[in-house]
Amino acid sequence: AQSVTQLGSHVSVSEGALVLLRCNYSSSVPPYLFWYVQYPNQGLQLLLKYTTGATLVKGINGFEAEFKKSETSFHLTKPSAHMSDAAEYFCAVRDTGTASKLTFGTGTRLQVTL
Amino acid sequence: DGGITQSPKYLFRKEGQNVTLSCEQNLNHDAMYWYRQDPGQGLRLIYYSQIVNDFQKGDIAEGYSVSREKKESFPLTVTSAQKNPTAFYLCASSREGRTNSPLHFGNGTRLTVT
Repeated sequence: AQSVTQLGSHVSVSEGALVLLRCNYSSSVPPYLFWYVQYPNQGLQLLLKYTTGATLVKGINGFEAEFKKSETSFHLTKPSAHMSDAAEYFCAVRDTGTASKLTFGTGTRLQVTL
Repeated sequence: DGGITQSPKYLFRKEGQNVTLSCEQNLNHDAMYWYRQDPGQGLRLIYYSQIVNDFQKGDIAEGYSVSREKKESFPLTVTSAQKNPTAFYLCASSREGRTNSPLHFGNGTRLTVT
């Protein structure tokens, strides 16, 4: 079964600094990949999703993710962090070709400091 | 506006009681899901349904039950058999359960059992 690994349960950056949140998936066949954001006591909101054939995927709020098949990675980045980006971020994966569940990583909590 | 409504937002129950969490969507989505969220563990799938009158167990279905009598509704019952029911429960839906169709989430129900 597909799985995703998010390295770093907590990441702290200064406002204006680069944000890099890491996600690696387990399959040799590129699955469907997603990034979600969760603010305290709320549901998850879709940031972006991988589209077959793309290497750089742009999402909302200035976030983007780069798909690297050779590294089985789908890391999330933002050039300049804002205080409002402080939240928990989840990478998720779904197998292609069959109806199947969406599996989430354990999440990375992003802290943004002044 | 279309979306997913979970109610209530907070729910308190005594140990040994069954409790039902409500989830309604007006997005005309075929697939619906229930996830459980615990600190540091990400989201774990309880049950999902691809179509009315059909549903499948997820990774942690023991102690839970669901029904899907209407397209719009996917209630979750937490039974007294669930060993650790205190958690944040998230309902989601997607246009269908395949491909890169993203999940749309409700704002969750926080269940506390004492």
